[in-house]
Amino acid sequence: AQSVAQPEDQVNVAEGNPLTVKCTYSVSGNPYLFWYVQYPNRGLQFLLKYITGDNLVKGSYGFEAEFNKSQTSFHLKKPSALVSDSALYFCAVRASGNTPLVFGKGTRLSVIA
Amino acid sequence: NAGVTQTPKFQVLKTGQSMTLQCAQDMNHNSMYWYRQDPGMGLRLIYYSASEGTTDKGEVPNGYNVSRLNKREFSLRLESAAPSQTSVYFCASGHHSTNEKLFFGSGTQLSVL
Repeated sequence: AQSVAQPEDQVNVAEGNPLTVKCTYSVSGNPYLFWYVQYPNRGLQFLLKYITGDNLVKGSYGFEAEFNKSQTSFHLKKPSALVSDSALYFCAVRASGNTPLVFGKGTRLSVIA
Repeated sequence: NAGVTQTPKFQVLKTGQSMTLQCAQDMNHNSMYWYRQDPGMGLRLIYYSASEGTTDKGEVPNGYNVSRLNKREFSLRLESAAPSQTSVYFCASGHHSTNEKLFFGSGTQLSVL
């Protein structure tokens, strides 16, 4: 069975500093990995995905994520955080075939001015 | 373009009452999903419909039923609500057979007293 772990419930970072939100996964076969963001009282919005190819994936709002197969990780990064990046971030994984997405528990990012 | 529309946005039930959450998408997606979001638990899949005419259980199906009414609509029914079903419910849609992103509705906040 596939699973996702987000080891940090909360990440605090100062505005302008780089940010990292961690994600590790477990899946049989090749993983399909996603990051979603949730702003208060809203549904989830897609940020980026890794399917195959380049290990560094670029997405919306200046976010990027690096796929590391040996460490089974897919950490979300941004070079310079904005206060408006404060939100709840979810990592998700699915195995190949017709399995649905499995989400992590989420990491709350707070960017402090 | 409305995307994924969920109704109602808020609902309060008494234990034992029944209700149906409605979801409709206008993006011609073949797959639809129902998730629940609880603090510290992330998103957990209740049921999904990979294509019109099919439904499958997710991680937490007990106490729920679903109906894929047509390609656009996917409803979630609580036959006898319990306090443990107090949660925020999200409907999502996408193309299950590919690795495209999911689109989420804005959620239904349900309280069972």
